[in-house]
Amino acid sequence: SQQGEEDPQALSIQEGENATMNCSYKTSINNLQWYRQNSGRGLVHLILIRSNEREKHSGRLRVTLDTSKKSSSLLITASRAADTASYFCATDGNSGAGSYQLTFGKGTKLSVIP
Amino acid sequence: KAGVTQTPRYLIKTRGQQVTLSCSPISGHRSVSWYQQTPGQGLQFLFEYFSETQRNKGNFPGRFSGRQFSNSRSEMNVSTLELGDSALYLCASSYRQGPYEQYFGPGTRLTVT
Repeated sequence: SQQGEEDPQALSIQEGENATMNCSYKTSINNLQWYRQNSGRGLVHLILIRSNEREKHSGRLRVTLDTSKKSSSLLITASRAADTASYFCATDGNSGAGSYQLTFGKGTKLSVIP
Repeated sequence: KAGVTQTPRYLIKTRGQQVTLSCSPISGHRSVSWYQQTPGQGLQFLFEYFSETQRNKGNFPGRFSGRQFSNSRSEMNVSTLELGDSALYLCASSYRQGPYEQYFGPGTRLTVT
């Protein structure tokens, strides 16, 4: 089953607006990551936030993490048409016997209209 | 550095056949993970190899197997293909073992007819 679940499933905004995507997860984590995928291509790592961090910035990206609510959000400010993509959160769930694997949510499809 | 490369990029196979996909990680990366992406199930972890050993395995049947060579290149094999195996297969490499920052290849689009 998916560890992370993104919300909303799809988001359409005008260029220049901010886009916020949310991710909820079920079990405790060591870190949470966000990735971007342009249509049918490989994923690109955006940012990793550790469980002891509350907020992290990278360029126009801002990620927050609330471990008490088991949730994270990704904010893209001043969006551009090139930001059109699917965005996934990924968590390091324990797959048993002390091993961890990266588990992805189903993603938020962001469309930025020029 | 060159990115992760995957070959072939597209593949069409018939049900019952087998297929081998190849992945070359970023130079210096010793961990290679494989994922299957479908519209219905999303991205699912298949397995991870590090230093030629399988370190972690997802919940897939034994028809899915892999290996890693001494130069860190990895292959994934699917035997007795089923229609449901049609998917985008993504390979990702990382400097260290485990669920850390992954660098993905462009994927192999497998269609089973």
